[in-house]
Amino acid sequence: AQSVTQPDIHITVSEGASLELRCNYSYGATPYLFWYVQSPGQGLQLLLKYFSGDTLVQGIKGFEAEFKRSQSSFNLRKPSVHWSDAAEYFCAVGAGGQNFVFGPGTRLSVLP
Amino acid sequence: DAGVTQSPTHLIKTRGQQVTLRCSPKSGHDTVSWYQQALGQGPQFIFQYYEEEERQRGNFPDRFSGHQFPNYSSELNVNALLLGDSALYLCASSLVGAVSTDTQYFGPGTRLTVL
Repeated sequence: AQSVTQPDIHITVSEGASLELRCNYSYGATPYLFWYVQSPGQGLQLLLKYFSGDTLVQGIKGFEAEFKRSQSSFNLRKPSVHWSDAAEYFCAVGAGGQNFVFGPGTRLSVLP
Repeated sequence: DAGVTQSPTHLIKTRGQQVTLRCSPKSGHDTVSWYQQALGQGPQFIFQYYEEEERQRGNFPDRFSGHQFPNYSSELNVNALLLGDSALYLCASSLVGAVSTDTQYFGPGTRLTVL
């Protein structure tokens, strides 16, 4: 069965610092991987996705993620965090029209 | 191009009541999935509708049912509400069959409070 873990429940970084949010997945075949962001009281916004090809994918708002098959990971990165990036971040795995399985989320706080 | 829309935004019900939530998919999408997101947790898959039929179902009781209409919009019905049904209910739409577009786009959600 598919599963997703996000080891960090809450991360705090200073504005302008770099960011890496971790995601590990379990899936029997090549997965489709996604990162979504959720601001308080809002729905989920797609940041980026990986289906195949280049393992480094670029997304919106300056985010990128790297797929590492050997580590079953799909970590999200941003070189310089902005105060507006404070939100909840969810990693998800899905494939071939199957339902998404989401991780528990990582809450990001940004210090001024 | 309208994205995924959901109604109502907020809803308050009492235990034992029934509720219906509505979702209109993104233009061009033919598949609707419903998720329940309890406070502080990630979304949990309820079920998915395609061609007006339930295509997949997560680990939710039969109190949760749905429907998809010919225009691809969808309803989620929950009977005999429990306090534990209080959550944000998210609708997501996608286009089945085209790998490159097999991405789910989410609506803003309906916040259900059961008292």
